[in-house]
Amino acid sequence: QQQVKQSPQSLIVQKGGIPIINCAYENTAFDYFPWYQQFPGKGPALLIAIRPDVSEKKEGRFTISFNKSAKQFSLHIMDSQPGDSATYFCAASKLTDKLIFGTGTRLQVFP
Amino acid sequence: DTAVSQTPKYLVTQMGNDKSIKCEQNLGHDTMYWYKQDSKKFLKIMFSYNNKELIINETVPNRFSPKSPDKAHLNLHINSLELGDSAVYFCASSQSATTGTRDFGPGTRLLVL
Repeated sequence: QQQVKQSPQSLIVQKGGIPIINCAYENTAFDYFPWYQQFPGKGPALLIAIRPDVSEKKEGRFTISFNKSAKQFSLHIMDSQPGDSATYFCAASKLTDKLIFGTGTRLQVFP
Repeated sequence: DTAVSQTPKYLVTQMGNDKSIKCEQNLGHDTMYWYKQDSKKFLKIMFSYNNKELIINETVPNRFSPKSPDKAHLNLHINSLELGDSAVYFCASSQSATTGTRDFGPGTRLLVL
């Protein structure tokens, strides 16, 4: 019930491609779904987050799609760049409780 | 003007030793956390403090003891270090216990030999 399943484990795309990372959760009480980006040797940094009352949120080249009935959400990176190469984590929580992280997706964008 | 800072950045020590990691945030946040990231990059909450009070204590061995002298500082002391404690430890903070966003520190890379 507390798990967040993330796939794929790794992803390789060419510059300009649209990598998609998927996450699924079980706990219907979760009401906050952030994505974090982590570069090697650095701490995770919040990229974008969504609440379950909307189905999509866009910030720059990053878009979260949210499907409440399927208990799934995904991150799309438009026009991906080599500088987007990083590990991406989805997470979920009830706002009054701990943040549960997915297992991470290592993205490599080649020029 | 670092938001969340941790010291040391690297820690290499022998099994059985005791070590501490310090964390400070200058964001004025009320809530601070310790996370452990293992070799497979899995991030797991260890502890959370809100205004110096412990609010989350995951199933972490008693050898790990957090201490929050004030709401801007959260330290982690580890007794009798074991090989399995090798990981990256991240401190994080959030505006309140009900704020989803976490601001993470740069991490402390602990290697136990």
